Amino acid sequence: NAGVTQTPKFRVLKTGQSMTLLCAQDMNHEYMYWYRQDPGMGLRLIHYSVGEGTTAKGEVPDGYNVSRLKKQNFLLGLESAAPSQTSVYFCASSYASGSSYNEQFFGPGTRLTVL
Amino acid sequence: EDQVTQSPEALRLQEGESSSLNCSYTVSGLRGLFWYRQDPGKGPEFLFTLYSAGEEKEKERLKATLTKKESFLHITAPKPEDSATYLCAVQDRYGGATNKLIFGTGTLLAVQP
Repeated sequence: NAGVTQTPKFRVLKTGQSMTLLCAQDMNHEYMYWYRQDPGMGLRLIHYSVGEGTTAKGEVPDGYNVSRLKKQNFLLGLESAAPSQTSVYFCASSYASGSSYNEQFFGPGTRLTVL
Repeated sequence: EDQVTQSPEALRLQEGESSSLNCSYTVSGLRGLFWYRQDPGKGPEFLFTLYSAGEEKEKERLKATLTKKESFLHITAPKPEDSATYLCAVQDRYGGATNKLIFGTGTLLAVQP
């Protein structure tokens, strides 16, 4: 099992450019999440999904959009990148609530720099 | 508002010098408290889940404990390979069917040989 994978690992954008980050999981998890991690701020939830075709806003959703067209994939989009979106982005997944296991499993991260 | 505070921010230990990391939390109702380890340039790696006060879990040199207001991660006779950032997170029982986590900012542990 690959677990949670993220593509790409690194990316440099210019202000105003757009991009999509891809997350894939092979654990048949219902729930998926996108976080950003900044120095001194900890991990902050951007958007999440509790099932295929559903998405919801987290703590810091502005400037991002997401889609969950397939259960195993969760895409994070930046329509017009800003320097404030320079960060490390992590995807995570978990079983649904009610399962015996509700911990989240994380991918390796994408380091994004916006110039 | 749910909140997690970790201390200290950074800790430097000599190999074999035992110590503890603290995680204080405020949550409407605790569904679970989670400890993760994060190595530089990597994603967080799950260590433990604790569900109720008094519960303890162990893994090699690590032992996690839980009270109604805080959790401790005890590191016994640490080795250099235990160097990492340790993250604490909570799930709110009243947060809906989402398994959302609220994270602290972590403790950076450095173990010197």
